[in-house]
Amino acid sequence: GNSVTQMEGPVTLSEEAFLTINCTYTATGYPSLFWYVQYPGEGLQLLLKATKADDKGSNKGFEATYRKETTSFHLEKGSVQVSDSAVYFCARPHGSSNTGKLIFGQGTTLQVKP
Amino acid sequence: NAGVTQTPKFQVLKTGQSMTLQCAQDMNHEYMSWYRQDPGMGLRLIHYSVGAGITDQGEVPNGYNVSRSTTEDFPLRLLSAAPSQTSVYFCASRPTLGGSGGYTFGSGTRLTVV
Repeated sequence: GNSVTQMEGPVTLSEEAFLTINCTYTATGYPSLFWYVQYPGEGLQLLLKATKADDKGSNKGFEATYRKETTSFHLEKGSVQVSDSAVYFCARPHGSSNTGKLIFGQGTTLQVKP
Repeated sequence: NAGVTQTPKFQVLKTGQSMTLQCAQDMNHEYMSWYRQDPGMGLRLIHYSVGAGITDQGEVPNGYNVSRSTTEDFPLRLLSAAPSQTSVYFCASRPTLGGSGGYTFGSGTRLTVV
C-alpha cells in the first residue's frame, strides 16, 4: 500500500539539542518525499524534499536523506531553536491514485524550551 | 512572490448558509487542490483540478463544489453549511499533477459552522 508513518509526539527538547523525527514509508517504486512544517495558526510550509533515492534535502539547518534500503526519510537538525517549535509532517504523493493527493504522516509536535 | 493566497482567514457561518472560500496562485501551477484538516483525521482531499476547466472529486467531496475557470483561481463553495464542515481548509498547488515538484500550501481558512 501507500502510507507514511511518523514517530509519535510530542517531542520536547531544550534549545541547542539534537533533533531526529523518524519517518518511514511504504511504496512501490521511488516516490518524491517531503517534510512540511506547520507553525501555530499557520498553513503548511514545504521544509525540504528529496526526489530520488540517496538524495539529501536540506533547509534552515534541517536535513533528511532518502534511504531506499530502509524506506525512511528521517528529519534531523543538529541544534534546535525555540523558533523551531511547530508540527512536522512527512509526506509523499499517493502514487497509485491519479488525484495528486498527498499522503501525510500523523504529524509530530516539537516543543523547544529555552 | 505571493504563492498561494487564501481568503478569508477566519469565517463563522450559521447552519444552512452558503459561502465561497477563495484560493489564488501566481505560480502558473496547473494542479490545484483543497484539503480539510481535522484533529485526529489529518488532511483529507476534498476536490482537485489538473488545469483550467477540469475538476474532480477527492475523498470527501460531499457538500462542496469547485470550479476552475482560470489557471490562477480555484474557489471552494459550501452549498449549505453544516457543523460537520467546521474545519481548517487549505488550498495547495503544484506545477503539474505528476513529477517531482513540491506542493505549495496557502495559510488556511479556519471555518466554524454554528
